[in-house]
Amino acid sequence: NAGVTQTPKFQVLKTGQSMTLQCAQDMNHEYMSWYRQDPGMGLRLIHYSVGAGITDQGEVPNGYNVSRSTTEDFPLRLLSAAPSQTSVYFCASSYSVTGGPGQPQHFGDGTRLSIL
Amino acid sequence: GQSLEQPSEVTAVEGAIVQINCTYQTSGFYGLSWYQQHDGGAPTFLSYNALDGLEETGRFSSFLSRSDSYGYLLLQELQMKDSASYFCAVAHQTGANNLFFGTGTRLTVIP
Repeated sequence: NAGVTQTPKFQVLKTGQSMTLQCAQDMNHEYMSWYRQDPGMGLRLIHYSVGAGITDQGEVPNGYNVSRSTTEDFPLRLLSAAPSQTSVYFCASSYSVTGGPGQPQHFGDGTRLSIL
Repeated sequence: GQSLEQPSEVTAVEGAIVQINCTYQTSGFYGLSWYQQHDGGAPTFLSYNALDGLEETGRFSSFLSRSDSYGYLLLQELQMKDSASYFCAVAHQTGANNLFFGTGTRLTVIP
């Protein structure tokens, strides 16, 4: 099992460029989410999905879009990159909350994104 | 809104016991999770407490007091590989497995 796979691992963008961070999981998890991690600020939830075709906003959704066309994939799109979006981005997945909240979340290795 | 407080840094000696505290203030609460993250790595799940009391998993234990809005992670028989950041996180929503994370405690284990 690969678990949660994120690509790319590193990316440098110029302000105003757009790009898509990819996330795929092979555990048949219903729940998937994107977090960003900035120094000293922990992880903050950007967007999440409780199943294919269902997405919703987290704490810091501005400047990002997501879609969930399949159970396996949950890409994150930066619409027009800004220096404030320089961060490490983590994708996570878990079984659905119907199994009870607090299901262990499985994280990908992260994408380190720099915006100049 | 949500807020969690945990110490920013803790240093402990190899073989000793260390406790990392977490206090929370949230508009909804279903349980408290703990995650470990080594430098440059991904967070990994350690434990989840939904009910008051102590949960033990090997050298790690986690405690929750819902009435005090307080929990802690206890690490015993510290090893050098335990040097990492530890995050408490609150499950605060029904219908989604969303977590609100604290800012993390950096644990340094010294010989």
